[in-house]
This record gives sequence, C-alpha cells and structure tokens, in this order.
Amino acid sequence: ETGVTQTPRHLVMGMTNKKSLKCEQHLGHNAMYWYKQSAKKPLELMFVYSLEERVENNSVPSRFSPECPNSSHLFLHLHTLQPEDSALYLCASSPRGQGGYTFGSGTRLTVV
Amino acid sequence: AQSVTQLGSHVSVSEGALVLLRCNYSSSVPPYLFWYVQYPNQGLQLLLKYTTGATLVKGINGFEAEFKKSETSFHLTKPSAHMSDAAEYFCAVNDGNQGGKLIFGQGTELSVKP
Repeated sequence: ETGVTQTPRHLVMGMTNKKSLKCEQHLGHNAMYWYKQSAKKPLELMFVYSLEERVENNSVPSRFSPECPNSSHLFLHLHTLQPEDSALYLCASSPRGQGGYTFGSGTRLTVV
Repeated sequence: AQSVTQLGSHVSVSEGALVLLRCNYSSSVPPYLFWYVQYPNQGLQLLLKYTTGATLVKGINGFEAEFKKSETSFHLTKPSAHMSDAAEYFCAVNDGNQGGKLIFGQGTELSVKP
C-alpha cells in the first residue's frame, strides 16, 4: 500500500455505461493528478488539481469528467467511452514543493 | 521548458550483468530528478530522487543514480541485475514551478535474461 488508494482495480464497462474511478490519499498532499497509460505509449497527463482547484486539463475529451471534492479525494467520472479509452488509469498525489509523486496502483479499464 | 529524454525504449541484460538506463534532462532551473519503476499492472514506485546535496543518490533494490550537471544526465545503474528487476523505468524532472508537477520521460523497458 503506497498511501494512495485507487478503486476499483479492474473495471469493464460498455460504451453506454456511466462509471466512476476513485482515488484517495491521506498523505497530506495538496496536489492530485490523473494519468492515462495505454499499451506502448507514454504516460499521458489528463488533469491536475492543486488545493482542490483544477489547474490543468490537457485537451481531454468531455466524456472524462474529474471531480475533487476535497484534498484527499479525486474522482474520474466516465460516460459514453470508446474502446480506445481502454487503458490503465493512474492517480498520483504530491506535496507542496518538489518531493515527487506517490502513485496509486491504478485502475485497469476495459471498454467493450 | 523542462524535458526528459530516456535513451532506449528497451534494454536487455543478462542476470548478474550491469544495468545502465540513460536519462538526460533539460531544465531552466536547478532540477529535481526522479526515477520510478513500474511492474506490470501496477502504479509507479519511487526508486530514488535527487534534490540537492550529494550527486550520487542511492535508492531501493540496489539502484543508484548520479546527477551530472555538466552532462545534464541522471543515469540509473545497478551493478548486478536480478530477474526481479524486469520492469518499466521512468525518469522525471520537476516542472520548474513551485508546484509539484513532474515531467516524465518515455520510459525504458528492462528485460533480464537468465
């Protein structure tokens, strides 16, 4: 356990479904991130939240909707996804300053 | 702007051989540098980091890295590879702002042959 918990670990969903990914940290970090990792591709930064405010949105399709209700929790709401959205979705958190990230174990998403 | 280049998307070594994974960075401010390891279907785990001070940094699992400012490099080494070292390795640099955002390299997949 790294201190960043992601649920569920695995998710299979149809293209018409709505689901949510959850990330939780109790490390006292003030920034949280969503990354997408597809096979044979680099890490793609999706969203950055700092002190619960979204500070970065890297041209992510609107079918992905993040939510950060407080500094410990981060969600990624999914709806009408496409098969190419199948990937490992990683959450990370970091403290103020340059301490580096702590990652969760990821959610393996399969869209059918 | 900050950037990271990892030379070689795939490196293969024999068990017991030296592991060398290359990382070069570009930074407009004194860099903070990181190496992460990722095992299949897992998140990334911090191996080691350089912030300030000693340029040779020791990490977990016998890995170490040396910050060389003149070469803008932060290569990762391990004297003797073990089968369990097979994984994806990512080098990262801080983004130069006061926040904690990191810029990641493309990753290097390490294979270890028996």
